[in-house]
Amino acid sequence: QQPVQSPQAVILREGEDAVINCSSSKALYSVHWYRQKHGEAPVFLMILLKGGEQKGHEKISASFNEKKQQSSLYLTASQLSYSGTYFCGTETSNTGKLIFGQGTTLQVKP
Amino acid sequence: KAGVTQTPRYLIKTRGQQVTLSCSPISGHRSVSWYQQTPGQGLQFLFEYFSETQRNKGNFPGRFSGRQFSNSRSEMNVSTLELGDSALYLCASSLTPDRGSSPLHFGNGTRLTVT
Repeated sequence: QQPVQSPQAVILREGEDAVINCSSSKALYSVHWYRQKHGEAPVFLMILLKGGEQKGHEKISASFNEKKQQSSLYLTASQLSYSGTYFCGTETSNTGKLIFGQGTTLQVKP
Repeated sequence: KAGVTQTPRYLIKTRGQQVTLSCSPISGHRSVSWYQQTPGQGLQFLFEYFSETQRNKGNFPGRFSGRQFSNSRSEMNVSTLELGDSALYLCASSLTPDRGSSPLHFGNGTRLTVT
């Protein structure tokens, strides 16, 4: 079952904040976040595990709400380099099978 | 350390033909996953291999197959190509198949165009 990401697209000015959500209809074991810039391969950002709450560093962090089966990615004080498409990947039970959402396109303008 | 290498980068094939794509994982990585990426469908899971065994398979027809060799290199094959198979095929390697601790490292992909 493919997770649902929202919003589909967001446009920001430099310095603004953004939140990207990833929801699943099934119980999750782990959630991954990746960013893909145009013409490039997706790049790993972070993994969140069931039972964990929040990870990341000052500017880019994520949370995992087990009750809602939802993860959120927080981008703080966005920079131009944050532009790209963000994908969440979800794993239900410890299967190793990572299913990705449709992606959220983020554009940061000067 | 070299990244994930996929060959070829571009392929143009005709409907009905078959194609083989190759993936060399990062040295030491033993798990390889394949994804199909299209604008409309996003990243669709094809299959995952570990120690030469297919551990997971996505919802693709039997025309899509793959294998992994003892050196962890992997290939995927698509037979009887259809126009809808045109896509970017991404290979990703990881240290282990444990997604709770082992992230995916993606290659730059093979762009397949079917005419």
